[in-house]
Amino acid sequence: DGGITQSPKYLFRKEGQNVTLSCEQNLNHDAMYWYRQDPGQGLRLIYYSQIVNDFQKGDIAEGYSVSREKKESFPLTVTSAQKNPTAFYLCASRLADTQYFGPGTRLTVL
Amino acid sequence: GQQVMQIPQYQHVQEGEDFTTYCNSSTTLSNIQWYKQRPGGHPVFLIQLVKSGEVKKQKRLTFQFGEAKKNSSLHITATQTTDVGTYFCAEAQGGSEKLVFGKGTKLTVNP
Repeated sequence: DGGITQSPKYLFRKEGQNVTLSCEQNLNHDAMYWYRQDPGQGLRLIYYSQIVNDFQKGDIAEGYSVSREKKESFPLTVTSAQKNPTAFYLCASRLADTQYFGPGTRLTVL
Repeated sequence: GQQVMQIPQYQHVQEGEDFTTYCNSSTTLSNIQWYKQRPGGHPVFLIQLVKSGEVKKQKRLTFQFGEAKKNSSLHITATQTTDVGTYFCAEAQGGSEKLVFGKGTKLTVNP
């Protein structure tokens, strides 16, 4: 089955802890993206990567970090520097103009 | 980059009524994409419009791109409960490198 997987679906962390969200795709897409979704805010771009070993900041990169060591994987770390980390995080990959989204991870920081 | 403004933010209809959401930009859009996100789900690509004045249909959904390429609309005829969700427009910018999303229109349908 081809697609994008994100795990876990729900994640709880204590304030001050770093947490890494997983995103894996077997679609052989070069480009991958991380978005944050808050109620009434739509989707905001955190980081994106057009190719392995390269990535760029999106509109709200502060407090986040990423790596792209493999084509299939684009993990996102939410650091303790992110002031308001509780949100729904969506990963996507792109083929031509179309983005394909994973099921998302809902992160709650207590 | 430029923003796309989407209205209304919320729309509640009775089943069988029509629904329309609009996207507007102050500058010319190179293209417009529409996505649907079901409650608790993730956005799913519906369609892309590229040409001025383009109209595309998918069953009860009609998508339009304005003549000046500054606005777009999604119209649903005779809504059903399966249409519930949030509809987003987005522009692919930078040679499709990035998508810039509108804030979405959340549609609820009363059976």
